[in-house]
Amino acid sequence: AQSVTQLGSHVSVSEGALVLLRCNYSSSVPPYLFWYVQYPNQGLQLLLKYTTGATLVKGINGFEAEFKKSETSFHLTKPSAHMSDAAEYFCAVIQSFTSYGKLTFGQGTILTVHP
Amino acid sequence: KAGVTQTPRYLIKTRGQQVTLSCSPISGHRSVSWYQQTPGQGLQFLFEYFSETQRNKGNFPGRFSGRQFSNSRSEMNVSTLELGDSALYLCASSLARLAGENEQYFGPGTRLTVT
Repeated sequence: AQSVTQLGSHVSVSEGALVLLRCNYSSSVPPYLFWYVQYPNQGLQLLLKYTTGATLVKGINGFEAEFKKSETSFHLTKPSAHMSDAAEYFCAVIQSFTSYGKLTFGQGTILTVHP
Repeated sequence: KAGVTQTPRYLIKTRGQQVTLSCSPISGHRSVSWYQQTPGQGLQFLFEYFSETQRNKGNFPGRFSGRQFSNSRSEMNVSTLELGDSALYLCASSLARLAGENEQYFGPGTRLTVT
């Protein structure tokens, strides 16, 4: 069964500091991986995705993630945090070529950015 | 291009009642997925429809049902509401012709409160 683990339910950084949000997945087949962000009282916004090809994926708002098959990881990073990055972040996976429309999400990581 | 819209945004119902939520996907998207978001269980997949056919279903009781119309709009219905059904219900749409096109775009959600 596919599962997604986000390490750390809360991460706190200072403005301008590196943001690192961790995601590990379990899968016996190459997965499709996503990061979403959710601001209070809103839906989810897609930050970036990995399907095939380049393992370093760049997304919106300066975020990027690297797919590491050997470590079954897909960590999200941003070199310099902004106050506007404060939100909840979700890692998600689609487990197979026929799992249309079925995202499996991690439990989420709340990012706090201090001035 | 207009995003995914969900109506109503907020809903208060009493135990035992039933409720219908509506979702209009992005123009051209034929896949609609539904998710339930709660603080305790996180984001959980309910079901997915493509061209009026349910292709995937999550582990929810039969009280949860859905349908999709020929214009790709979708509705989900919850009968005999329970207190535990209080949640944010999110709808997402995607092209989903191929597995690699599974990036989903989410609506703002419907906040259902059961009293």
